[in-house]
Amino acid sequence: DQQVKQNSPSLSVQEGRISILNCDYTNSMFDYFLWYKKYPAEGPTFLISISSIKDKNEDGRFTVFLNKSAKHLSLHIVPSQPGDSAVYFCAASQSGNQGGKLIFGQGTELSVKP
Amino acid sequence: NAGVTQTPKFQVLKTGQSMTLQCAQDMNHEYMSWYRQDPGMGLRLIHYSVGAGITDQGEVPNGYNVSRSTTEDFPLRLLSAAPSQTSVYFCASSPAGQYYGYTFGSGTRLTVV
Repeated sequence: DQQVKQNSPSLSVQEGRISILNCDYTNSMFDYFLWYKKYPAEGPTFLISISSIKDKNEDGRFTVFLNKSAKHLSLHIVPSQPGDSAVYFCAASQSGNQGGKLIFGQGTELSVKP
Repeated sequence: NAGVTQTPKFQVLKTGQSMTLQCAQDMNHEYMSWYRQDPGMGLRLIHYSVGAGITDQGEVPNGYNVSRSTTEDFPLRLLSAAPSQTSVYFCASSPAGQYYGYTFGSGTRLTVV
C-alpha cells in the first residue's frame, strides 16, 4: 500500500519554463512534507519542505503547494534550468512517535532541455 | 564533517551469504534510517531508529536486521542474501523532530547473484 504516490515517472520541460511535479498521499495523519532531489550515483538531497499548517512555502525558484483536502502537493520550479535535471522525490511524515519515519514516493525524473 | 558515511560502495554477494552494510554519521543526529531504491519503486524504508537502543520496522523490513548501540552507527544486516535484495541502499540521519530534512549517504550498490 503506497502511502505517497508520484504518478508521473518522467517530465520534460524547456529551459526557462515552469516545471510542475505532483505528489499525492493517502495517510491523513501525515503533517509534514518534503521534496528531495537526486542526481545519479549520489544520495538524495533535501530541497524544500512544508508543514500542514501552511498551504505554500517558497524558496527562491522553488515553491511547494499543499492542498490538504485533496491530499495533494506540488513542486513548482520557475524558471527551470538544465541543472535542475534530476529525479525528484516527495516524502511525508507524521508527528509524535512516528516523527522519525519518512515515507517517500516513487520519484519523477525531470529533464530540462536547453 | 564527513556527514553520513556508507561502506562499502559496491558489493557482490552470492545467494545465501550474509553481510553487514555499515553506516556512520558524525553530526550527533538522533534519527537514522535505511532505504532501498529500486527502479519504479522509489525509496522504500527498511528500518529506522529514533535513538540509541531504539529501532522500528519500515515498509520493507523482511530479510534485514538492524541494531543501534551508539548514536553514530546504524548497521544493516542481511542474514541470508536473496536476488530480490539486489538494490541500491541508502542510509540517512536527521536531528530529532520531523522538521529537519534527512541527510543521506552516497549509497551502497548491492548485487546478489
